[in-house]
Amino acid sequence: TQLLEQSPQFLSIQEGENLTVYCNSSSVFSSLQWYRQEPGEGPVLLVTVVTGGEVKKLKRLTFQFGDARKDSSLHITAAQPGDTGLYLCAGATAAGNKLTFGGGTRVLVKP
Amino acid sequence: KAGVTQTPRYLIKTRGQQVTLSCSPISGHRSVSWYQQTPGQGLQFLFEYFSETQRNKGNFPGRFSGRQFSNSRSEMNVSTLELGDSALYLCASSLLAGDETQYFGPGTRLLVL
Repeated sequence: TQLLEQSPQFLSIQEGENLTVYCNSSSVFSSLQWYRQEPGEGPVLLVTVVTGGEVKKLKRLTFQFGDARKDSSLHITAAQPGDTGLYLCAGATAAGNKLTFGGGTRVLVKP
Repeated sequence: KAGVTQTPRYLIKTRGQQVTLSCSPISGHRSVSWYQQTPGQGLQFLFEYFSETQRNKGNFPGRFSGRQFSNSRSEMNVSTLELGDSALYLCASSLLAGDETQYFGPGTRLLVL
């Protein structure tokens, strides 16, 4: 069974601070996705990383895929209240559509 | 382009009943996957359909079933509902089978009393 561990589970910070969320596994994934989910809604895809060592930037968000494709991180610079939400990482195997999700990190950015 | 739509958005049922949830994928997407999200277990994969065929199945009992129609719309059915089936049921669509990038709908929140 492939497992994805996310840490921390909960993060509360002040507006303007930086934060990092980690997603770790003992399994290798062909790709890894990061989603943000707001209450009452479905997860919204932020990014897909495919290549080991890959770094992708989306405005203030920086995503990194580990060299061995077993772990990933999401770093938010100068967080804003609009960044509040549940951040989920999900790994895909070569079989494709069966995503394995991490437990999520709930981020609260206080104004 | 319209996103993934799910109906109904909210549903209340009692134990022993059965329920059918519907999902319309993004236009042109042919693969639909279903997930169950609960506070305790997080997001768990139920099954995936492509071209009206189930390609993958998660570790859920046989009470959970699904199907896909020729227009790629999908339904999932849960029979003999249990209290533990209360959850947010999410549908995700992707262009092709094996496509790792999935787009989620808003979900159907099911409450079993």
